Amino acid sequence: GENVEQHPSTLSVQEGDSAVIKCTYSDSASNYFPWYKQELGKRPQLIIDIRSNVGEKKDQRIAVTLNKTAKHFSLHITETQPEDSAVYFCAPSMDSNYQLIWGAGTKLIIKP
Amino acid sequence: EPEVTQTPSHQVTQMGQEVILRCVPISNHLYFYWYRQILGQKVEFLVSFYNNEISEKSEIFDDQFSVERPDGSNFTLKIRSTKLEDSAMYFCASHRDSYNSPLHFGNGTRLTVT
Repeated sequence: GENVEQHPSTLSVQEGDSAVIKCTYSDSASNYFPWYKQELGKRPQLIIDIRSNVGEKKDQRIAVTLNKTAKHFSLHITETQPEDSAVYFCAPSMDSNYQLIWGAGTKLIIKP
Repeated sequence: EPEVTQTPSHQVTQMGQEVILRCVPISNHLYFYWYRQILGQKVEFLVSFYNNEISEKSEIFDDQFSVERPDGSNFTLKIRSTKLEDSAMYFCASHRDSYNSPLHFGNGTRLTVT
């Protein structure tokens, strides 16, 4: 089965700086790569996703990059703001197996 | 914007009791899921449901668990005889089709087993 790892487990950055979280996976058949944001006590919410035929996708301050050869994808947040503080999860999967094996999460702390 | 709704938001039950967690997925969605999240830990897949049957289930989803779609709107998770370790947040999720549609989560039911 899929083995998913996220790094780092905790990331603390100064407000306005950039944050990068990396997700590595083991199943080369994975073709869907989402990132979820979960604020304390709330549900996970999809913030950005990418499919295997695309190398990079950007949505305002958030971007995801994919390296299928190395089997990892990363979440990039630029110009971080206090409301970016949350736990971020990656969950790579295949269309035929959409159960989403989740990474352990990265706690992002934005220091004012 | 349509949402996945879950009830109750918090359920407290005694060990050994049965609980039913309820979910109303988004109306035109076809795939339904239950996940659980023990406090401070990662999201864990329990079961997926499509075309009125279970399509995948994890090792966590043992004989104590069952799911049902009793009518056209509700999707329920039943735990027959709760254990202390069942205490967690349970999330229901749905999506429209298996490709190119994001997963929508409900707000969750916090289950506390005492």
